[in-house]
Amino acid sequence: GESVGLHLPTLSVQEGDNSIINCAYSNSASDYFIWYKQESGKGPQFIIDIRSNMDKRQGQRVTVLLNKTVKHLSLQIAATQPGDSAVYFCAENIRTGGFKTIFGAGTRLFVKA
Amino acid sequence: DSGVTQTPKHLITATGQRVTLRCSPRSGDLSVYWYQQSLDQGLQFLIQYYNGEERAKGNILERFSAQQFPDLHSELNLSSLELGDSALYFCASSVGFSSYNEQFFGPGTRLTVL
Repeated sequence: GESVGLHLPTLSVQEGDNSIINCAYSNSASDYFIWYKQESGKGPQFIIDIRSNMDKRQGQRVTVLLNKTVKHLSLQIAATQPGDSAVYFCAENIRTGGFKTIFGAGTRLFVKA
Repeated sequence: DSGVTQTPKHLITATGQRVTLRCSPRSGDLSVYWYQQSLDQGLQFLIQYYNGEERAKGNILERFSAQQFPDLHSELNLSSLELGDSALYFCASSVGFSSYNEQFFGPGTRLTVL
């Protein structure tokens, strides 16, 4: 399949372990944050989101933490599985009249079986 | 499958040429977004349309233009192509224009400019 081929930060974890992927965002005015997963040859896929009035949100096996003080976002994946191997992007929505979505550089997650 | 379709899947062309990328949003979605994903710039927002009207603009070059038609499909036109325009181009759609609406991404069009 096709891949982006970026020289991305890489996180390698053992199957069954927990993964933590970190992201620093850029704009204090951003009010909505999203984590996306991109598998090889596919478009980004929504995982979980969080609004700026929250500091934690949980989904199925995933948790997003938001620290507005230091403009930091993290994605925690519990019991990581081989199918979780992908590139993970954080994104922030900045209001510009409408809004625009700014993506982080991405982190490549390898899950070792 | 996100429900968003993009054609063509691959496109190879020469510098100076013009190409058109096509996107069909999910059924019922009124917003369409275009993104460029390149090796050196990562994923960049280009432009958003909602129900036929331009809603927001990102880092879209003047050589690039887009439109959304009455049937809600969208086209991204890239002209005077340069080597640096080689990238994956993604279309996404959402039900509304709110920043809180989930965006669903298509499989992308890989453009190679030789």
